[in-house]
Amino acid sequence: DTEVTQTPKHLVMGMTNKKSLKCEQHMGHRAMYWYKQKAKKPPELMFVYSYEKLSINESVPSRFSPECPNSSLLNLHLHALQPEDSALYLCASSQGRWDSYEQYFGPGTRLTVT
Amino acid sequence: KQEVTQIPAALSVPEGENLVLNCSFTDSAIYNLQWFRQDPGKGLTSLLLIQSSQREQTSGRLNASLDKSSGRSTLYIAASQPGDSATYLCAVSPGHGSSNTGKLIFGQGTTLQVKP
Repeated sequence: DTEVTQTPKHLVMGMTNKKSLKCEQHMGHRAMYWYKQKAKKPPELMFVYSYEKLSINESVPSRFSPECPNSSLLNLHLHALQPEDSALYLCASSQGRWDSYEQYFGPGTRLTVT
Repeated sequence: KQEVTQIPAALSVPEGENLVLNCSFTDSAIYNLQWFRQDPGKGLTSLLLIQSSQREQTSGRLNASLDKSSGRSTLYIAASQPGDSATYLCAVSPGHGSSNTGKLIFGQGTTLQVKP
């Protein structure tokens, strides 16, 4: 099973709201990723967790706060977002952080900030 | 800085045609190259992963090649079908420095339409 699940599928939030995106995998992968994808653009890496520790933060604004409670679960906490943060947020996982491993993506959460 | 380019940006072909999608990258120091498919509004589906030491990978009607020294990869789709219509993205894993480990650098994608 090469499935990465993401909830919710769609999210609409105001600029003063606090919400969270959830990602889960049960493949025993030890690296998990958050990407942001704007319309007609490729995904852009936001964060990488390796063995439940944050290893890469691509200078993402602090209104995005990642969390990895365990090896199967990855959250992205959202607070005081801007309309330009509206995008498709993709989660991915791989066996490890080492680059020989294939990354598997979830279906994404479509976020709209009003 | 690694840059990935995909040509063409869009492609429309009749059903049954064999076609080639191109991907080029500026720095040959890569760990691997991965091809993905993305349907509109959906996530990415991994098609093929080629390690830097490999020259090609095959899966069904798909064949991907890698020429690391020239910074090029191609995705060959045989006997195209309307269901192949999607955006195809290539991504490289840069090989310089531990801080890059885990990163994927994506091309802009090629949007393919296969007409019945």
